[in-house]
Formats: sequence, C-alpha cells, structure tokens
Amino acid sequence: DIVMTQSPDFLAVSLGERATINCKSSQSVLYSSNNKNYLAWYQQKSGQPPKLLIYWASTRESGVPDRFSGSGSGTDFALTISSLQAEDVAVYYCQQYYSTPRTFGQGTKLEIK
Amino acid sequence: EVLLVESGGGLVQPGGSLRLSCAASGFTFSTYEMNWVRQAPGKGPEWVSYIGSSGSTIYKDSVKGRFTISRDNAKNSLYLQMNSLRVEDTAVYFCARRGAAVAVYDYWGQGTRVTVSS
Repeated sequence: DIVMTQSPDFLAVSLGERATINCKSSQSVLYSSNNKNYLAWYQQKSGQPPKLLIYWASTRESGVPDRFSGSGSGTDFALTISSLQAEDVAVYYCQQYYSTPRTFGQGTKLEIK
Repeated sequence: EVLLVESGGGLVQPGGSLRLSCAASGFTFSTYEMNWVRQAPGKGPEWVSYIGSSGSTIYKDSVKGRFTISRDNAKNSLYLQMNSLRVEDTAVYFCARRGAAVAVYDYWGQGTRVTVSS
C-alpha cells in the first residue's frame, strides 16, 4: 500500500496569512504515460464529510476558491491557502488514487492563530 | 443536486452483523462507480470497498470475506453487508461517488456511525 504522510499535524495561521500543508507519498504517484500526478486534496470541516478541493495535484474542483492551490510532483506535494479565511478552519487530507487501495494521509488540522 | 444519504448504522457486539444502505439522488446512479469509505474517531478516511457500474467489486484486505458491497440500480441504492464485525471496524461509514472522469471521491454522504463494542 502507498503510505501518505502529511506535515505538520497541526498548523495555526493568522487570518490573511499563507498556510502550507505538505504531503509525501511512500512511492511516486506520477503516471509516466500521461505525466499526471494521481494526488487529491480534501477539506473536512467539523461534523461534515470530506469535500474534494483539488485533483491531479493542482486542478481545483469546480467552485473551490482560487486561494487554494496545489503543487508538487512524484512523491512530494503541497496544498497552499494564499490568504487564510475564517471558513478555512478544517482538517485537510491528501489522498493518492494511483493504486488500490486508495490511501489518505493522517490529516492536518488548520486553525486560526 | 447530488445527494447521498446513508443509514443502517448502530451499536453491535463483536461478531455481529449490520447492513448499511446509501440512497442516491440527483444523478444517473447506474452509470457511476461507488465506494464505501470509513473514518475511525480522530483518524483519516480509509477506503473500504468499491463497486463498478457493472457490479465488479474490490475490498480492503482487512474486510475481505466479511463485508459485501452491492447495488440496486433500480432503487438508486448502494449497500454494505458487514458480518463478523470487529472492534476495529468502529467508524463513521460514508458512501462516496467516484468522479466520472477522475478517480477521486467527488461527492460524499453525511455518514452513518457504526460502533462495535461489547
């Protein structure tokens, strides 16, 4: 199974500041035949199911604000929120869909400083 | 609007059984691949099982032989029959739709809680 490891576990950022969450996979999730990274990011607010934010490592899902961006390739990825808003308080998960079983990171809890 | 509504969770003793259901609406259910994903308290989500539009199935190793995923396209419903339940199966169980073009979980239900305890 591909192990997904996120850092940090907890992150406190001031409103309007940048937040960056990292995700590392135990093996590459870059598929050479199409040069796509099979990596997604989800946001989970308290008491709600996860919500898809980004797929192909950097493509925003429809309706996701452009302050959310994804980057990285191969085994190292990042989710960046350019200017933190109060409604962004949540736990964020990365997930690989390169192979079965699909696996998630342990999550990063993002709070307001 | 896409809606997925799970039901059937509850408290069960180790070794017991439960059948989860997921009622889908707002999309052509029969053409989509569906999944069950669970989340133990304080943990990240964990994929459990998949069913294709044609009925092919895949399971997480730890549930093989104990869980059975199925679907009824006429009723727009997804099911998970869970037998020989273990304490470590305790979690909120979500049904999740696989995206049409990308193999991500683009819609999730609100989940149903399963607690396995004596």
